[in-house]
Amino acid sequence: KAGVTQTPRYLIKTRGQQVTLSCSPISGHRSVSWYQQTPGQGLQFLFEYFSETQRNKGNFPGRFSGRQFSNSRSEMNVSTLELGDSALYLCASSGTSGSPGELFFGEGSRLTVL
Amino acid sequence: SQQGEEDPQALSIQEGENATMNCSYKTSINNLQWYRQNSGRGLVHLILIRSNEREKHSGRLRVTLDTSKKSSSLLITASRAADTASYFCATDAQAGTALIFGKGTTLSVSS
Repeated sequence: KAGVTQTPRYLIKTRGQQVTLSCSPISGHRSVSWYQQTPGQGLQFLFEYFSETQRNKGNFPGRFSGRQFSNSRSEMNVSTLELGDSALYLCASSGTSGSPGELFFGEGSRLTVL
Repeated sequence: SQQGEEDPQALSIQEGENATMNCSYKTSINNLQWYRQNSGRGLVHLILIRSNEREKHSGRLRVTLDTSKKSSSLLITASRAADTASYFCATDAQAGTALIFGKGTTLSVSS
């Protein structure tokens, strides 16, 4: 079955702009998590959605937001982009509803902010 | 914030040697997982060990868990050049529905 799909794979934005990233989970998975990966901070948890509800949120400013649709697809948005938002954004889906089991990751969206 | 911390940060070995990576965490867990990431790619799940398990094997991988010391180790036996990657431990935290990753160990296996 198809894996986790993230679009776009690469994008370049300028400071002050906003960006929307999309994630299609594995069919049947209802949990979607988002992570930001940078060389300095490593993998930082952004948020986790399950059945259209945000169940958990990491320590990021309000400029970072997300949502999940009824078909489990998820989007995350970053507004008023800053240079420090340049990162690989990873989405992962899971088939478990409670304590996180195995996460299936997409290939990521690499965002460069100029 | 990081829940798990891997040690060492970087490891270089020759093909055929064993590689051992350690992970320490701070709070109680339900399970601990190890993932692998090839440069710039998504992460791939390697193994999950539950808090009531002490050791688990999967092919050339052996994972141990010591909940009293809040630590885990990942052993890769007979390493190959293709094992070159970053390895991360992850634990459930924050009400148990989020997986929190450490900063990883970068393994380089030369032939």
